[in-house]
Amino acid sequence: AQTVTQSQPEMSVQEAETVTLSCTYDTSESDYYLFWYKQPPSRQMILVIRQEAYKQQNATENRFSVNFQKAAKSFSLKISDSQLGDAAMYFCAYRRMYSGGGADGLTFGKGTHLIIQP
Amino acid sequence: NAGVTQTPKFRVLKTGQSMTLLCAQDMNHEYMYWYRQDPGMGLRLIHYSVGEGTTAKGEVPDGYNVSRLKKQNFLLGLESAAPSQTSVYFCASSTTSGQGANVLTFGAGSRLTVL
Repeated sequence: AQTVTQSQPEMSVQEAETVTLSCTYDTSESDYYLFWYKQPPSRQMILVIRQEAYKQQNATENRFSVNFQKAAKSFSLKISDSQLGDAAMYFCAYRRMYSGGGADGLTFGKGTHLIIQP
Repeated sequence: NAGVTQTPKFRVLKTGQSMTLLCAQDMNHEYMYWYRQDPGMGLRLIHYSVGEGTTAKGEVPDGYNVSRLKKQNFLLGLESAAPSQTSVYFCASSTTSGQGANVLTFGAGSRLTVL
């Protein structure tokens, strides 16, 4: 079974600075997807960024970027120019890539609580 | 578009009572999921469905049943609620094709307390 590990239960960063959240995963598959989801106090799960394992280029979405190291099974999230609205729980997630149908959802890490200091 | 809608948003039950959580999506997604979220545990998959009339067990299925009689609806049932089922429940859906393939869209969550 796949496992996703987030080793930082909580991180704190000053507003406007850069922070990196760590994620490692364990899988025997070669094709898969990785995700970062954000959960603010509203409880809504919001997709931040997605990475396909077959793509060598790291995904980027505005101030959010990832460092995907496939051999090391590492998938960290970098948030640049941190803003107060970035305060939330961040979950790393894994999904196996299927061909021909079938999908058994995402496997989530336990989350990292990100605090933004004004 | 409403996306994924869960009802009810809050519910308090007594041990042994039954209830059903309803999830509805208006995106014509093929796949639907029920997760539970507990403090310090992340989200864990309860059951999922890859199409109308089909369901499958996830990581933590015991004590729950599901049904998907219509493509847009996915019901989660608790036949005899236990305090261990106190949690926040999330429904999600995803499509199989296009740019949004493999991305889960989540509902707002339903907080269930079992006394």
